[in-house]
Amino acid sequence: GAVVSQHPSWVICKSGTSVKIECRSLDFQATTMFWYRQFPKQSLMLMATSNEGSKATYEQGVEKDKFLINHASLTLSTLTVTSAHPEDSSFYICSARVPLGLAGGNEQFFGPGTRLTVL
Amino acid sequence: QQQVKQSPQSLIVQKGGIPIINCAYENTAFDYFPWYQQFPGKGPALLIAIRPDVSEKKEGRFTISFNKSAKQFSLHIMDSQPGDSATYFCAASRDQIQGAQKLVFGQGTRLTINP
Repeated sequence: GAVVSQHPSWVICKSGTSVKIECRSLDFQATTMFWYRQFPKQSLMLMATSNEGSKATYEQGVEKDKFLINHASLTLSTLTVTSAHPEDSSFYICSARVPLGLAGGNEQFFGPGTRLTVL
Repeated sequence: QQQVKQSPQSLIVQKGGIPIINCAYENTAFDYFPWYQQFPGKGPALLIAIRPDVSEKKEGRFTISFNKSAKQFSLHIMDSQPGDSATYFCAASRDQIQGAQKLVFGQGTRLTINP
């Protein structure tokens, strides 16, 4: 149980275009999902917390107009990188919080990640 | 106060050895401490987690030792294998019932197990 998927696993796009990344919890409902960014050989950097049915909460320094997050259902959150530029190239990873009772607390399970390359 | 400091940055151990990775935190409100394993190009996978009501937790070859007074916790991998070669991250959060608590990650440890 507690499987999280991401799509696509990798994407290459031209500068100035927008890219949408999907994060799905496959076998549980997640009221809260998180989006991270990871540069090579570095730790995970939390970008935003995505709550189902409400606006996402962005971390300091993350441009909310550039990284649009939508959590329209209990199993799906999307991250859209708008007007992408080469500096947005990174590994984007989502996680989903397991509901209380299913695993006892605050367990987060991560998706496999999406490698974004902006040319 | 939100930081979690992880060491060492990299570690090389011979097969069968016991690598130990250490983490230290400042925020005494943290009460959930997971460890994640990440292979190149993959997302982190939850390995094992501990809450401060116990000083040690063991799952298979992985053991967490927790020292609440020192605000430190560590991961031990028994009988390490080359397949354990990966990057390991410790993390901490407040395990509140209401609301989703953010995980604060350590810097990561690149572990290599030589055959």
